[in-house]
Amino acid sequence: AQSVAQPEDQVNVAEGNPLTVKCTYSVSGNPYLFWYVQYPNRGLQFLLKYITGDNLVKGSYGFEAEFNKSQTSFHLKKPSALVSDSALYFCAVSAWPGGYQKVTFGTGTKLQVIP
Amino acid sequence: DTAVSQTPKYLVTQMGNDKSIKCEQNLGHDTMYWYKQDSKKFLKIMFSYNNKELIINETVPNRFSPKSPDKAHLNLHINSLELGDSAVYFCASSQDRGVNQPQHFGDGTRLSIL
Repeated sequence: AQSVAQPEDQVNVAEGNPLTVKCTYSVSGNPYLFWYVQYPNRGLQFLLKYITGDNLVKGSYGFEAEFNKSQTSFHLKKPSALVSDSALYFCAVSAWPGGYQKVTFGTGTKLQVIP
Repeated sequence: DTAVSQTPKYLVTQMGNDKSIKCEQNLGHDTMYWYKQDSKKFLKIMFSYNNKELIINETVPNRFSPKSPDKAHLNLHINSLELGDSAVYFCASSQDRGVNQPQHFGDGTRLSIL
């Protein structure tokens, strides 16, 4: 069975500082990994994905994520946080258990960027 | 243009009633999903359809019945609503069945049971 863990319910960071939102995963076979962001009263929006290739993946709004196979991690990062980055972030892993895509989402991490 | 649209946005009703939520996507995607997000923001897959065929049916009470009249629409009907059904229900779509395709979400239907 596949699973995703986001160990931090909330991350606080000062505006202008680098941010990291952590994610670890468990899946049989090759992992397909995603990050999504959810703003209040909105649906999830896709940020970036890792399928294969470079371990550092770049996405929307200046976000990037680093895939680490040995640590089974896919942490979300940004060099300089903005107040507008404050939102709920979900990590997700995708697999192919039987002819269809099944995506499992983490429990979400609330990012608070302090002015 | 809204890519994935759900109606209604808010639904307030009494226990025991039957209600439906509609979803439409104009992205040309083949696969559509229903998710439930509870008050703690946990997101759980309920159903998935590919080209009108049910492909994922998680452990969901049979009071919930999805219907896909065509690949651009996926509706959710709920019978005999219970207090525990209060949540935000999200529709999503993705290209094909590929595991490497991101999902596109609607803005949710906020269901409140009185």
